Amino acid sequence: AQTVTQSQPEMSVQEAETVTLSCTYDTSESDYYLFWYKQPPSRQMILVIRQEAYKQQNATENRFSVNFQKAAKSFSLKISDSQLGDAAMYFCAYRVNNAGNMLTFGGGTRLMVKP
Amino acid sequence: DTAVSQTPKYLVTQMGNDKSIKCEQNLGHDTMYWYKQDSKKFLKIMFSYNNKELIINETVPNRFSPKSPDKAHLNLHINSLELGDSAVYFCASSQDTGPYNEQFFGPGTRLTVL
Repeated sequence: AQTVTQSQPEMSVQEAETVTLSCTYDTSESDYYLFWYKQPPSRQMILVIRQEAYKQQNATENRFSVNFQKAAKSFSLKISDSQLGDAAMYFCAYRVNNAGNMLTFGGGTRLMVKP
Repeated sequence: DTAVSQTPKYLVTQMGNDKSIKCEQNLGHDTMYWYKQDSKKFLKIMFSYNNKELIINETVPNRFSPKSPDKAHLNLHINSLELGDSAVYFCASSQDTGPYNEQFFGPGTRLTVL
């Protein structure tokens, strides 16, 4: 069974600083996809960034970037120039390329941004 | 316009009752999902439908019965509600079952069973 682990239940960052959220996963598959979702207090789940496992280049979306280490099965999210609006729960998720297309989520990391 | 909508947003009911949560997407997507988020924020897939056909049932009790009258709708009916069913239920949709496709989530329905 695939599992996704986020070892940091809570993280805190000063506004304008950089923070990295950790995620590791366990799989025997070779073809899979990784995602980071943000859940603000409104509860809405919002896709932040995604990465295909076969791509070595780390994905980047504006202030958000990932450090994908396939051998280590690690997929961390870096948020640069943190803003107050970044405060939310962040979920790492994994999806394997087979029937079903289900997302397997980690337990989440609550990010607090201090002004 | 809301892409994935759910009704109701909040649902409070007594143990043993039967309730339904409705989900609609106006994105023209083929695939829809139900996820459950428990009190510890853990999010887990329940069901997945593609073109109105069930493709995933993650060992969900028979008391939960999804119904997809058409591709734009995936409703969740729950019989004989139990205290442990209290959670936030999210509906989501994606273009198809392609694994790279973004899943768009609804706003969630907070179910409280008393």
